[in-house]
Parts: sequence; structure tokens; C-alpha cells
Amino acid sequence: AQTVTQSQPEMSVQEAETVTLSCTYDTSENNYYLFWYKQPPSRQMILVIRQEAYKQQNATENRFSVNFQKAAKSFSLKISDSQLGDTAMYFCAFMKHGNDMRFGAGTRLTVKP
Amino acid sequence: SQTIHQWPATLVQPVGSPLSLECTVEGTSNPNLYWYRQAAGRGLQLLFYSVGIGQISSEVPQNLSASRPQDRQFILSSKKLLLSDSGFYLCAWSPQGIQETQYFGPGTRLLVL
Repeated sequence: AQTVTQSQPEMSVQEAETVTLSCTYDTSENNYYLFWYKQPPSRQMILVIRQEAYKQQNATENRFSVNFQKAAKSFSLKISDSQLGDTAMYFCAFMKHGNDMRFGAGTRLTVKP
Repeated sequence: SQTIHQWPATLVQPVGSPLSLECTVEGTSNPNLYWYRQAAGRGLQLLFYSVGIGQISSEVPQNLSASRPQDRQFILSSKKLLLSDSGFYLCAWSPQGIQETQYFGPGTRLLVL
């Protein structure tokens, strides 16, 4: 079974600084997809970024970028120029085939003014 | 554009009572649909998914059931709620096909007393 591990239950960062959230996963598959979702206090899950395993280039979306290390099975999220609105739970997710998506336990990020 | 709705937003039910949560998607046809549960402070657990009308796959044996009476309608039900059914229930959709990004609804907070 695929597992997704987020080893940092909580993190904090000063506004305008950069923070990196860690995620590792366990799989024997070669083709899969990885995601980071954000869950603000409203609790709606919002897609932040998506990475296809067959792509070597790391995905970026404005201030959000990932460091995808396939051999190490690592998928970290970097948030640059942190904003107060980035305060949320962040979930790493893995999808192998079909539509089976597995989530990590989450990292609670607090951006401090 | 596509939108996903869930209702009710919040529900308080006594143990042993029935449950019906509804999810509808607008702006797309024949989507894949999903029900997830999120316990307090935890990640998401996939409960059911559907690739078409009347087609339901169950991930976790439990006190709940799902139905898809219409293309863009997904219902989560229970005949008799348990205390352990309390949680935050999220519906999600993805475009037809495999390994597609899932987009989440606003969720329903269920408290069983």
C-alpha cells in the first residue's frame, strides 16, 4: 500500500520569508502523480500544485514550487514570500493509477506578521 | 467553469438517526465523484468513488453507503449513525478519465451526539 508521510505536524514562518514543507511517500510504481493541497480555516481543500512523476522538471505556481526527488521519493513544497493568507493546513497527496488518491496527515503552517 | 456544492454545511444528529448528505457538480458532464472523511486533525480518508451513474466503489467497510442517482449528484447515506461517524465530509470531483486532479467541495461538518 502506498503511504504518504508528512513529518512536520506544525511549522511557522515570518511574513515575506520562505518556508519548505516536507513530504515523503512509499511506492513501487513508476508512473504516478503528486499533489499539494491547502486547507484554510474554512476547511475547503484547494489545489496548490501538481507534479507528474514522469516529468523531471519541478512544478511551479507563482510563489509555490516543489522539489521532486523521485529516487528519494521526496516531494517538498516551497512557499516564497509567505503571506498571512498562506496560513493553513497543507496536505501532500499521492495518486498512482485510476483515481486512488492517498493523503498525508498534514502540516499546519502559521505565517506570523 | 465548474462548481461543486455540498449541503448541509453543518449537521448535528443523534446516534441512531439516518443521514443524507448531498453533493452536486455543475459545469461538467460524467465526472468522477468521491466522498472523503476527515477526522479532527487528520488527513483525508477515501470512503467511496463513482465513475458513472449507479457505479459505486467502496474503499472502507463501514456504516455508510453512497449512491449516484444522476450524473452530477452524489449522495452519502446512513441508516443509523454512530458516534464514530462524526467528522468533516468532503465531496470531490475529477474530469472523466484517470489520474486527473480532484477538486473539492466546501464540506459538511457532521456531529453525532
